[in-house]
Amino acid sequence: AQSVAQPEDQVNVAEGNPLTVKCTYSVSGNPYLFWYVQYPNRGLQFLLKYITGDNLVKGSYGFEAEFNKSQTSFHLKKPSALVSDSALYFCAVRDNYGQNFVFGPGTRLSVLP
Amino acid sequence: SAVISQKPSRDICQRGTSLTIQCQVDSQVTMMFWYRQQPGQSLTLIATANQGSEATYESGFVIDKFPISRPNLTFSTLTVSNLSPEDSSIYLCSVVHATGISDTQYFGPGTRLTVL
Repeated sequence: AQSVAQPEDQVNVAEGNPLTVKCTYSVSGNPYLFWYVQYPNRGLQFLLKYITGDNLVKGSYGFEAEFNKSQTSFHLKKPSALVSDSALYFCAVRDNYGQNFVFGPGTRLSVLP
Repeated sequence: SAVISQKPSRDICQRGTSLTIQCQVDSQVTMMFWYRQQPGQSLTLIATANQGSEATYESGFVIDKFPISRPNLTFSTLTVSNLSPEDSSIYLCSVVHATGISDTQYFGPGTRLTVL
């Protein structure tokens, strides 16, 4: 069965500094990995996904994520954080066999001015 | 991508009543999902609704409590029946365009339900 872990409930970073939101996963087959962001009182917005190919995936709003098969990780990164990046971030995984997406518990990112 | 709307955006209901949530998509989609989310928490899948077949419910969710309709490829409803305060939550509709394993899942804005 698929599973996703986001080891940090909360990440605090100063505006302008690089940010990382961590995600590790467990799947039976090839992983298909996704990041979503949820702003207050909003639905989830798709940021980026890894399907195959280049391990570094670029997405919306300047975010990128690095797929690391040996560490079964898919950490979300941004070189320079903005206050407006403050939100709840979810990592999700799907494998060859599953019809459903499995979501991590979420990480709340706070970017401090 | 897909543009998804949900009605109502929020509601306050009395214990014992029911609420029906509508989900409308701007294009035809194969798979639709209904999730529940406590504020600030992760998502819990309630059921998968595919057009032309019965909805498939996850463990802990039953059709009598959460009946779902999927009359066509752009619309679905979720009813939360016999409401209790424990049903207070955000309910999210989600879609996947096709059956490709790499296809992205898109979400509606959510319906915030408060049960008194």
